Order: sequence, then C-alpha cells, then structure tokens
Amino acid sequence: GAGVSQSPRYKVAKRGQDVALRCDPISGHVSLFWYQQALGQGPEFLTYFQNEAQLDKSGLPSDRFFAERPEGSVSTLKIQRTQQEDSAVYLCASSLVAYYGYTFGSGTRLTVV
Amino acid sequence: SQQGEEDPQALSIQEGENATMNCSYKTSINNLQWYRQNSGRGLVHLILIRSNEREKHSGRLRVTLDTSKKSSSLLITASRAADTASYFCATDTGFQKLVFGTGTRLLVSP
Repeated sequence: GAGVSQSPRYKVAKRGQDVALRCDPISGHVSLFWYQQALGQGPEFLTYFQNEAQLDKSGLPSDRFFAERPEGSVSTLKIQRTQQEDSAVYLCASSLVAYYGYTFGSGTRLTVV
Repeated sequence: SQQGEEDPQALSIQEGENATMNCSYKTSINNLQWYRQNSGRGLVHLILIRSNEREKHSGRLRVTLDTSKKSSSLLITASRAADTASYFCATDTGFQKLVFGTGTRLLVSP
C-alpha cells in the first residue's frame, strides 16, 4: 500500500483482557518498529524487526508484551492481561533505508478500563 | 526514556511569523530527524540531518545541528495555520531505533 496501515484505529479493553494490534508496513520495507506514545509525551521505542528477525526488544515494558513478524511483512503487537498503564497510542513505523527516515502509521489508541 | 528535551514546550505565533524550536540530546548520534504530528495522527517525517552536516534546508524548513553542544534547531519560515502541530526531534544513535524528544506544540493563528 501507499502508507503504513494500522488496525484497529481505536481499541477499548477491559483490564486483564488480551489485545492484538496489527501493522501492515509499506511493501518492501525491511525494517519495522513499534513505539508507544503516552498522552503528551514523545514516542518511546518498543521493538525492532529486520525482515522476520526481531533484533531489538529492549523497549518492551514487561513480558506481557510480545511482537511478531513471521513472514517479514505484517507485524502484530500483542499485550496480555492489559493494565491501565498500558493505555497509550501504539505507533508502527517502517523504513527501506534508515537514513531516509521512517514512515509512521496513524497508530492504535488503546484505552484500558 | 526520552533522549531529547525540546524548547519551548509550547509556542504560539501569528501566520507569517517564523517559528523556532530547539532540541537538546545526550549521546553521540548518527543523524537527527524532525517529525510533525497533528492531533490524533501519526508522525510525518520532515527532515533528516546527518552528524557531519551543520545546516539543511527543505522548503520553508531550516535545520541546524551543533554536535559540540548536542543541540539542533528547527526553523519554520512564513508559518501558516496548517503548520499547527506538535514537532518532535528524534536521534538515531546507530542502533536502528529513534529516540524522541518531548515535543514542541506549535499553534499558528490566522
């Protein structure tokens, strides 16, 4: 597609529920990133894939967070047993070559109630 | 944790005026990037400046980088109401992830 597509656009989850957020990057983009953006803050890095390999997951806040990109294209960020502090916008970005900058999706706004 | 601090946190100007926002960061970088974020939307890449560059222009945008002071500035000339957004600097330290600053909220009034 022309841009990075994320779904759902909005998600309301009850505390303790599992959620799955989807990212469809630009076709051919090797690198894929997930960021978490709390209200009024800048995005914070969660994890990075190069093709299907998860090369850096140092930003994942707990073992309740899991990301995968099994075929090197679409990626899913899964959050198990959601907590209120998980409420944020989750942004996905992809790039062909890092030094040209990254293309971000519109994000998924997760609200845990 | 955030790498950069942006200054000011908020800026309000009239259309036609110039807007300058500053970013300071903590560690050595490969490049520094500026992004714009409209309310409720994703980030849009504006400009990238490499660590060996001092100044770069793109349309109405001018970015400077001072690696000795670990700081950068973004100048938007002849601002328009459509420039109203949050602006973030982000540093690439060479480990394939961007570290974002705290952002500047720009309001341009007609």
